[in-house]
Amino acid sequence: DIQMTQSPSLLSASVGDRVTLSCKASQNIYKYLNWYQQKLGEAPKLLIYYTNSLQTGIPSRFSGSGSGTDYTLTISSLQPEDVATYFCQQYNSWPTFGAGTKLELK
Amino acid sequence: EIQLQESGPGLVKPSQSLSLTCSVTGYTITSGYDWSWIRKFPGNKMEWMGYISYSGSTNYNPSLKSRISITRDTSKNQFFLQLNSVTTEDTATYYCARRRIFITTTFDYWGQGVMVTVSS
Repeated sequence: DIQMTQSPSLLSASVGDRVTLSCKASQNIYKYLNWYQQKLGEAPKLLIYYTNSLQTGIPSRFSGSGSGTDYTLTISSLQPEDVATYFCQQYNSWPTFGAGTKLELK
Repeated sequence: EIQLQESGPGLVKPSQSLSLTCSVTGYTITSGYDWSWIRKFPGNKMEWMGYISYSGSTNYNPSLKSRISITRDTSKNQFFLQLNSVTTEDTATYYCARRRIFITTTFDYWGQGVMVTVSS
């Protein structure tokens, strides 16, 4: 299995902050990396696929970047509604997921 | 709007079988895509369990292959998970999701999840 490690596990930030979340793969995943948002009690939502492609309907303050084993999700200006857990997912022979970063307001 | 909803017992005894249903509205599961089960363990580790395709073929995580079965009822637009010989390590929140293949594999619609506890 390809292991996905997310950091930090908990992040506190203020409204308007630029926020960066990290996801590291145990081997090269060739940009096959997706990001999801899960708010408390809700279904997960696909935000970004293939490292930097924004899913339809997702605000442009969300962006992704990376290559090889290292990937990031950036929120350019944190909004209150962005409080959630964010997790990454890769696809090699089968999908594996990171354990998530919980984003809270400071 | 496409919606998925999981249902099933919240408590299963060890050694028994876990059976869950995913009801899909807003899209016909035989029209396309693959229909997956994913679980999240306490501590937040997530595991893809398997899927059934729109044509009825299945693909399972090798770690579960001997215990898992995913089937469907096309007349009800539902698909099902059966996991046999469960142990306490199968305690998790179980999600159904639509698998999309566009450049890479993503899960573009999810249910809210159902928590299943394995305990005597």
